[in-house]
Amino acid sequence: EVRLLESGGGLVQPGGSLRLSCAASGFNFNSYTMSWVRQAPGKGLEWVSAISGSGGSTNYADSVKGRFTISRDNSKNTLYVQMDSLRAEDTAVYYCAKGVSGAYVLHYWGQGTLVTVSS
Amino acid sequence: DIQMTQSPSTLSASVGDRVTITCRASQSISNSLAWYQQKPGKAPKLLIYKASSLESGVPSRFSGSGSGTEFTLTISSLQPDDFATYYCQQHSTSSRTFGQGTKVEIK
Repeated sequence: EVRLLESGGGLVQPGGSLRLSCAASGFNFNSYTMSWVRQAPGKGLEWVSAISGSGGSTNYADSVKGRFTISRDNSKNTLYVQMDSLRAEDTAVYYCAKGVSGAYVLHYWGQGTLVTVSS
Repeated sequence: DIQMTQSPSTLSASVGDRVTITCRASQSISNSLAWYQQKPGKAPKLLIYKASSLESGVPSRFSGSGSGTEFTLTISSLQPDDFATYYCQQHSTSSRTFGQGTKVEIK
């Protein structure tokens, strides 16, 4: 059974930093692209970033480019996102999601972790 | 970037109704379209990918169609468990754009 468990969310001041983690199990982690997707309170889904199975390829939404850094540790089956220069508009539930081979489909999702950016 | 537009934003329906949600892409995405269901406080769940391929375990009352720029999600007979918000997502490009969502409410 595929399991994705996010952690690291919390309250942070504008301009601050936070690192989220996503512990994966139940599949061959290093074979799949992983993504972060966020959802602001009462709003829709926004894809944030993705990283290839090897970690050699990454991409980002324009809204976070230059501020967020996605990474993975395949020895620990864990996905990360380092979020710097946080803004109020980054307040959201952050989900990690497992991709599908050969397509940009988001197959399985974790339950999410809430990030609140406020003074 | 490819923009995805869903309609309607909200849909009121009764149990047993046939329900159709439309998703339009700002440029052709061939059949690279997925549909997700999200219930309040829960993570989204993949229903359909490649426009019409039903994810394993998803009831057959859900179906998808379309290609190019126009797509539909149909629920053939709405069940109590289907009241939720539905999102389309293009999986043609790495930007993985979502539609704004369609909330299916009880009439």
